Amino acid sequence: GQNIDQPTEMTATEGAIVQINCTYQTSGFNGLFWYQQHAGEAPTFLSYNVLDGLEEKGRFSSFLSRSKGYSYLLLKELQMKDSASYLCAVVDSNYQLIWGAGTKLIIKP
Amino acid sequence: IAGITQAPTSQILAAGRRMTLRCTQDMRHNAMYWYRQDLGLGLRLIHYSNTAGTTGKGEVPDGYSVSRANTDDFPLTLASAVPSQTSVYFCASSEGTGPNTEAFFGQGTRLTVV
Repeated sequence: GQNIDQPTEMTATEGAIVQINCTYQTSGFNGLFWYQQHAGEAPTFLSYNVLDGLEEKGRFSSFLSRSKGYSYLLLKELQMKDSASYLCAVVDSNYQLIWGAGTKLIIKP
Repeated sequence: IAGITQAPTSQILAAGRRMTLRCTQDMRHNAMYWYRQDLGLGLRLIHYSNTAGTTGKGEVPDGYSVSRANTDDFPLTLASAVPSQTSVYFCASSEGTGPNTEAFFGQGTRLTVV
């Protein structure tokens, strides 16, 4: 079966750095997405990785290791507005998106 | 700029009733999708459409139907609602169907079947 694993919930402090991990086992791999979803709102795109390595975009970075079936999202200089759920999704061999259940990130002052 | 509009935003529905969730996009995207989101589970694909006039079944299609008469509209119909269809439903669209194509989501419809 196909599986995406993320921690259910994480807590971090404003101004700090947090790393949200995602491990996957899918039938094929054609890329990995990270989306942000504030409570009661729609998911919005953060990043897409298809090659190994780190992609940096402002305060957010996303890392991929295909050989390990592993990705992480790194959030720096945390702000209260970063409190949200972060969804990891993998594109499988049929070009279908397989979604993780999401990680709820709580930022404390 | 509207993007994707879903209606209604929320609904309480009696079991056995028929219900259509509406979804309209103004981005001229080819592909559209319906997902349901349940607590503790990832988004699950119900149905999709890669282009107007075509539809396909996703991971959890039973009890749902869709149509894609034109590019902009992608309604989802529950023929006879059951309590297990209580969920938050998201419509999404993307410009293409390639692996790196970003999906844009509507604000969701919160459906409660009682």
